[in-house]
Amino acid sequence: EVQLVETGGGLIRRGGSLRLSCAASGITVSSNYMSWVRQAPGKGLEWVSVMSVGGSTYYADSVKGRFTISRDNSRNTLYLQMNSLRPEDTAIYYCARVLFTFHYDSSGYSWYLDDWGQGTLVTVSS
Amino acid sequence: QSVLTQPPSVSAAPGQKVTISCSGNSSNIGNNYVSWYRQLPGTAPKLLIYDNNKRPSGIPDRFSGSKSGSSATLGITGLQTGDEADYYCGTWDNSLSAGLFGGGTKLTVL
Repeated sequence: EVQLVETGGGLIRRGGSLRLSCAASGITVSSNYMSWVRQAPGKGLEWVSVMSVGGSTYYADSVKGRFTISRDNSRNTLYLQMNSLRPEDTAIYYCARVLFTFHYDSSGYSWYLDDWGQGTLVTVSS
Repeated sequence: QSVLTQPPSVSAAPGQKVTISCSGNSSNIGNNYVSWYRQLPGTAPKLLIYDNNKRPSGIPDRFSGSKSGSSATLGITGLQTGDEADYYCGTWDNSLSAGLFGGGTKLTVL
């Protein structure tokens, strides 16, 4: 059974930094695409970042240059380093395993998140 | 405002069928596969449909997905009160090199 457990959330002042962790069991983080998704209070889902098996990283424009996704293979843990935090970054942050493949027959990407953690709340005060 | 457009809300009676639409463009839905997620209040999202119309193990066949051009549709038959939740579509955007979610649709079972 896959289990993803996020920790590291909390209350932080505008401009501050926070590092979120996502400890995985049942899967190997380094053998999977892994993503962070956030949800502001009362709002919808917003994709934040993804790390590929090879270590390539992609970010939403809203966090580019401020957030960094990384992993520690020895700890089987995914991280999200968040710097220069803003009140609009207030959200529940979920980590998820991503299935991301290219279908050559249709020339299209299959992208879906099949396992999710329970989330950790980040609150940025102004 | 989301790149993928969903209706904010839909409703139907128990036992009936409902559909939820998700509209994008050629950079995302038009050329890639669509997934759907259900989020019950206070819980993490759960995968319902992937690759436009495939169901993960454990998801009943009351849930179905389809895609035509740059739009996708989630169908739910035999509605139950337990289906009341927020539903999101998702896909990859080739131009943005980013994952996308729709704005979400709140399903009410009257």
